[in-house]
Amino acid sequence: DARVTQTPRHKVTEMGQEVTMRCQPILGHNTVFWYRQTMMQGLELLAYFRNRAPLDDSGMPKDRFSAEMPDATLATLKIQPSEPRDSAVYFCASGLNPEAFFGQGTRLTVV
Amino acid sequence: AQSVTQLDSHVSVSEGTPVLLRCNYSSSYSPSLFWYVQHPNKGLQLLLKYTSAATLVKGINGFEAEFKKSETSFHLTKPSAHMSDAAEYFCVVDRGSTLGRLYFGRGTQLTVWP
Repeated sequence: DARVTQTPRHKVTEMGQEVTMRCQPILGHNTVFWYRQTMMQGLELLAYFRNRAPLDDSGMPKDRFSAEMPDATLATLKIQPSEPRDSAVYFCASGLNPEAFFGQGTRLTVV
Repeated sequence: AQSVTQLDSHVSVSEGTPVLLRCNYSSSYSPSLFWYVQHPNKGLQLLLKYTSAATLVKGINGFEAEFKKSETSFHLTKPSAHMSDAAEYFCVVDRGSTLGRLYFGRGTQLTVWP
């Protein structure tokens, strides 16, 4: 059963530390998304890629966030330095036209 | 530009009664529309999708949605609610034709009473 795999599932870190979240998209999917979910803002798009090229990262704070796809089997989202306001659930999704499938998310807590 | 409005933030129904979750969209293109469900502390699961084929779309777990272009609506229905349907539901719009940026509504929390 193909699925999007995200690691870690939970992360607690101190303010100022670097955080790296990883996502393994479903094999064969050419589009990868990163979303952030908070109670206040709901689901926000941070970035998305097609065929490993970034198409839109306008939702991402550029000074501290970065998203990459080193290869077709791995997408990463990094926060450096992390801040308490980054606490949220981060979802990765992958898709092949017309639908996208979401991972279970990484719950990040920055203290 | 694309946007989605979910008209109810909370819906409560009794088990066995019909469910209606309302969604209106705005799109400059012929959109693709989706409903996703999120159970507590879980990821988002695709319930159903509309991609310019039949306007009445059937999904998993007995859910259906009807695309009404004249009303710019894509309401989600189920004839008979089950306790396991209690979750948060998201209406989502895409530009269509090619999977791209997904625009999410704010969600509707469905409560099912025994």
